[in-house]
Order: sequence, then structure tokens, then C-alpha cells
Amino acid sequence: EIVLTQSPATLSLSPGERATLSCRASQSVSSYLAWYQQKPGQAPRLLIYDASNRATGIPARFSGSGSGTDFTLTISSLEPEDFAVYYCQQRSNWPPSTFGQGTKLEIK
Amino acid sequence: EVQLVESGGVVVQPGGSLRLSCAASGFTFDDYTMHWVRQAPGKGLEWVSLISWDGGSTYYADSVKGRFTISRDNSKNSLYLQMNSLRTEDTALYYCAKDSIVGATTYYFDYWGQGTLVTVSS
Repeated sequence: EIVLTQSPATLSLSPGERATLSCRASQSVSSYLAWYQQKPGQAPRLLIYDASNRATGIPARFSGSGSGTDFTLTISSLEPEDFAVYYCQQRSNWPPSTFGQGTKLEIK
Repeated sequence: EVQLVESGGVVVQPGGSLRLSCAASGFTFDDYTMHWVRQAPGKGLEWVSLISWDGGSTYYADSVKGRFTISRDNSKNSLYLQMNSLRTEDTALYYCAKDSIVGATTYYFDYWGQGTLVTVSS
């Protein structure tokens, strides 16, 4: 089973700042990686799929990059509604598909 | 508008059984692979099971294999999860999720329900 490790566990930033979240896989997942956003009391929302493709309706300030074992989610300029928990997910070697443990993006 | 509405979550004793349901609307249900994903209280996400558009293929996480059974009724636009031999570690919010591509299994979940809470406790 492929293990995804996200860093940092918590990221404290202010609105308007740039956020960089990392996800590292225990073995190559090619570009088969997604990012989800989850706010308290809500279901996750798909942001990015296949490492760099934005899902329908996702603002352009969200971007994804990487391939193989190292991936990054970047939020170019944080809006108040972006503070949430972010999960990466791989689908390279399924079943199972696995998720990272999450990065909490909090307001500084 | 796509809607997924889960139901069936309750408090159940260890060793007990439960059947979750997910009612789908707003899309052509029998075109899509469907999934169950769970989240233990305060924890991360864990994929549980999938069923192909026609019910012909099913897959399970090792943690539930042999205990849970996924099924669907395309005539009722409904997804199910039969859960047997429940353990305390099965306590979680169970989400129904739609795969993102027609007729394929991508494991990318573009729509989720709000979840139904299963609590396994004596």
C-alpha cells in the first residue's frame, strides 16, 4: 500500500499570503494524485486531479504540481474561505486508493 | 444539481450489522462507478469500497474485506453498504461519493454526500 505523507501538519498564514502544501508518496504514483479541501462539518471537495488539473469550478488561485513521489498544492493568495484541511490522495496503485493524513491551514 | 444523501447510520454493538443507503439524483446514476469513503471522528479519510456502474466489479479496503458488501440498484438510483461483524474501529462518518468520469473508475470523487454516522459501541 502506498503511503502519502503531508507536510506541514499545520500551516499558519494570513489572508493574501501564498500557501504551499506538500505531499510525498512512499513510491511513485506517476501523476495520479488529487487534492481535496475539507471545511468543518462539510464533505471534502475535489480541487485538483492528475496532479495539476483543476476540477470544475475551482478558482485559478489553486494550482497543483509534481510527479512521481513529490507533489505540491499552491494557493497563490489566500482568501478567508481557504482556511481548511487539505488532503492529498493517490490512485496509482489501486485498490486501495490512499489519502494523506491532512494539512490544516489556519489563520495566523 | 447532483445530490447524494446517505442514511442508515446508528449506534450498534460490536459484532452487529448495519445497512447504509445512498440516494442519488441529478445525474445518470448507472453511468458512474460509486464509492464509500469513511472518516473516523477527528481523523483523516479512508476509502472503503467501490462498485462499477453495472455492479459487475467490486473492490474493498483490506480493513473491511469479508465483512462489508457494496451493492447498487440502478433502477432506484441507490447505493448500499452492508456492514457485518462491526468493530469499534469501524466507528466513522460514512460518505457516499461519485466517481468523476462516465463509465470508468478514476478514484477521483467529484461529488460527496454529507455522510451518515456509524457508531460501534457497547
